[in-house]
Amino acid sequence: DIQMTQSPSSLSASVGDRVTITCRASQSISSYLNWYQQKPGKAPKLLIYAASSLQSGVPSRFSGSGSGTDFTLTISSLQPEDFATYYCQQSYITPWTFGQGTKLEIK
Amino acid sequence: QVQLVESGGGLVKPGGSLRLSCAASGFTFSDYYMSWIRQAPGKGLEWVSYISSSGSTIYYADSVKGRFTISRDNAKNSLYLQMNSLRAEDTAVYYCARIYCTNGVCWFDYWGQGTLVTVSS
Repeated sequence: DIQMTQSPSSLSASVGDRVTITCRASQSISSYLNWYQQKPGKAPKLLIYAASSLQSGVPSRFSGSGSGTDFTLTISSLQPEDFATYYCQQSYITPWTFGQGTKLEIK
Repeated sequence: QVQLVESGGGLVKPGGSLRLSCAASGFTFSDYYMSWIRQAPGKGLEWVSYISSSGSTIYYADSVKGRFTISRDNAKNSLYLQMNSLRAEDTAVYYCARIYCTNGVCWFDYWGQGTLVTVSS
């Protein structure tokens, strides 16, 4: 199985900060990497698909990059509604696997 | 608009069975692959299974293989998950999700609100 490792596991930041979350795959997954945001008690929401494509309706302050084994999710200027948990997920090969999550908290 | 509504969760004893349903609306259900994903309390997301648009292709996570069965009824716009031989570690919120694929890359673009399954004596 492909292991997805996110870093950091948690992060404290302030409104207006630029934040980067990293996701590393245990083997190359090309660009088969997606990012989701989950708020407490809610279903996950798709942010980025295919490593760098922004899902319709998602603010442009979110961006994704990377290919192969190393990927990043960047939030250019944190807004209050961005405090949540973020997950990466690979769809290169089954079983599709998620990272363990990165909890973004208010400093 | 796309809506996915899960039902069928509840409390079940270890070794018992439960059938989850997901009612889809707002899109042509028969055109899309569908999936179940679960989340144990306070834990991360775990992909469980997916089924192709026709139902001819199915994959499972090793943790549920041989115990869970995914199926769909395109005439009823519904997705199902039959869960047998349930264990305490199957306790989770179960989400159904639509899969969108392009150029071979796939992702979960819409999710239901989830249904809680609790396995306990």
